[in-house]
Amino acid sequence: DAGITQSPRHKVTETGTPVTLRCHQTENHRYMYWYRQDPGHGLRLIHYSYGVKDTDKGEVSDGYSVSRSKTEDFLLTLESATSSQTSVYFCATSLGPGEQYFGPGTRLTVT
Amino acid sequence: EDKVVQSPLSLVVHEGDTVTLNCSYEVTNFRSLLWYKQEKKAPTFLFMLTSSGIEKKSGRLSSILDKKELFSILNITATQTGDSAVYLCAVEANNDMRFGAGTRLTVKP
Repeated sequence: DAGITQSPRHKVTETGTPVTLRCHQTENHRYMYWYRQDPGHGLRLIHYSYGVKDTDKGEVSDGYSVSRSKTEDFLLTLESATSSQTSVYFCATSLGPGEQYFGPGTRLTVT
Repeated sequence: EDKVVQSPLSLVVHEGDTVTLNCSYEVTNFRSLLWYKQEKKAPTFLFMLTSSGIEKKSGRLSSILDKKELFSILNITATQTGDSAVYLCAVEANNDMRFGAGTRLTVKP
């Protein structure tokens, strides 16, 4: 366990509202990632970060933005939530390429 | 487009059986293939494979990679009910990590 926490763990929000999910790690890992997990799709990478203020898009980045102002925190923002963004969101960290450690997940429901 | 395909999608066996899970991939600039186990929470790491033909082993679990045929297998021998989970295969290529949809393994007593 790499000391990764996510908040909130559960959230219900309405279509069109902004939502921010937080990932916090205590392991000083350089890399951080946001994934979403949906039935039949496995985990899909949304955005990742390879250092403070260094981020890049993943496979399904549309409708999401991220920020990383400190090594330990990686924020995922849904600017205007849609029902298609209802999902379980996982944060992960790694020292470098390869093995990633996952947080407990955030279940987001957009009504 | 990069893709990772796992088979079967689900599998039901009885305790003591041996199972083989498959993962095939098509990616650009392959770096590594990883296996994770996911129970009702976050995925946990099992193996990372980078070289063909070298078996990684941990207890009753083992895995091997074939970079020529672009696939990997995960074997579980003498299965136990605690092995019930979704097994995820992921391929790292460039700075991207692509996951397969997973294989749901159910081990019955």
